[in-house]
Amino acid sequence: QVTLRESGPALVKPTQTLTLTCTFSGFSLSTSGIFVSWIRQPPGKALEWLALIDWNDHKYYNTSLKTRLTISKYTSKNQVVLTLTNMDPVDTATYYCARFIDDGDYFDYWGQGTLVTVSS
Amino acid sequence: QSALTQPASVSGSPGQSITISCTGTSSDVGSYNLVSWYQQYPGKAPRLMIYEDSKRPSGVSYRFSGSKSGNMASLAISGLQAEDEGDYYCCSYAGSSTWVFGGGTKLTVL
Repeated sequence: QVTLRESGPALVKPTQTLTLTCTFSGFSLSTSGIFVSWIRQPPGKALEWLALIDWNDHKYYNTSLKTRLTISKYTSKNQVVLTLTNMDPVDTATYYCARFIDDGDYFDYWGQGTLVTVSS
Repeated sequence: QSALTQPASVSGSPGQSITISCTGTSSDVGSYNLVSWYQQYPGKAPRLMIYEDSKRPSGVSYRFSGSKSGNMASLAISGLQAEDEGDYYCCSYAGSSTWVFGGGTKLTVL
């Protein structure tokens, strides 16, 4: 059974760095073709793809946010970590992690999401 | 990497069929057979409904189908049911190892 769960702070201040952890089970990030991705959704707005990491530690980023994003994996812990620097109120959103299947380019399992609010 | 264009809302009565469009460009939707569709209920995570333009994962009702022509992909739902009400998002590979979602469509079952 594949599951993913996001964890991290619910509230961050402007200019701070956000660190989110995705803990997953039911699959391994050392398997060819398996990726883990982060996607966010501001309240009442659309989904936005953020970043992706594959089994071979290749990393891919949203072009608009690339300078602020870092994605890392800890394979033995079954975790993927996302950092987003210089947080701003516009970064307030529910952040999801999801498993991504390379053969077909789709997100087949999602975590429940974690709401992060940026406010002083 | 601009968002794909979807209608803000669509509606239909139970038993009817509806279609949700997803318009991109020749750099994303039109270049790859890699459009996927997601259903989202309020406060819940998205759920995969269609991948590779028209393939249905196991467990998804046959009432959901996907298609594509040129730079526009479409999600069709036949035999509309109350449980189909929610938000729907398309997503496409956009080249250069990036992916882009649509702006989302709110489906109302009248």
